[in-house]
Amino acid sequence: QVQLVESGGGVVQPGRSLRLSCAASGFTFSNYALHWVRQAPGKGLEWVAVISYHGSTKFYADSVKGRFTISRDDSNNTVILQMNSLRPEDSAVYYCARQDVSSWYYFDYWGQGTLVTVSS
Amino acid sequence: DIQLTQSPSSLSASVGDRVTITCRASQNINNYLNWYQHRPGKAPQLLIYAASTLQSGVPSRFSGRGFGTDFTLTISGLQPDDFAIYYCQQSHRTPPYTFGQGTKLEI
Repeated sequence: QVQLVESGGGVVQPGRSLRLSCAASGFTFSNYALHWVRQAPGKGLEWVAVISYHGSTKFYADSVKGRFTISRDDSNNTVILQMNSLRPEDSAVYYCARQDVSSWYYFDYWGQGTLVTVSS
Repeated sequence: DIQLTQSPSSLSASVGDRVTITCRASQNINNYLNWYQHRPGKAPQLLIYAASTLQSGVPSRFSGRGFGTDFTLTISGLQPDDFAIYYCQQSHRTPPYTFGQGTKLEI
């Protein structure tokens, strides 16, 4: 069955970096685009970033552009979110999600999330 | 960027009730509109995509309608498991694939 498992969350000081990973299994990883979505405490879902199935196309939310980098390692079925210059407002549960292969671009599977807390 | 506005922000209902949540887009998104259910501490779950297509395995009491800028999610015959937060999301053209602010469905 399809599984997405996030890791790498934790407590980090403002201005520091953190690297999140999402390990995928149960499907042909290289055929799918992958997204990161976050939920700050008491807030709704916020789309963060996407990487295409081939890895050459990436998009970012304005709130993280220039600070976060999404990448993928197809040999290890992993998508990575490198987060630099972290701010308190980046504190959230971060989810990875698989984009369906159709042209409707919906997210058909999600991980359970990993918590990031940015605080001094 | 396309903005999505959900209403109401919260909703109280009882088991067996029929409820409708509305999602309005700031511009025409055709039918690139998806609905998700999110229970606390769980992964969000896709309910409906392309405005009205039920995702495999989702109970038929969930239904979606709409095109252009106005969309609805209806749950007929609420069950205890349905009390959660519901989000609409647009996936029109290129990202950002924005979410609505969410509707909390409470008992």
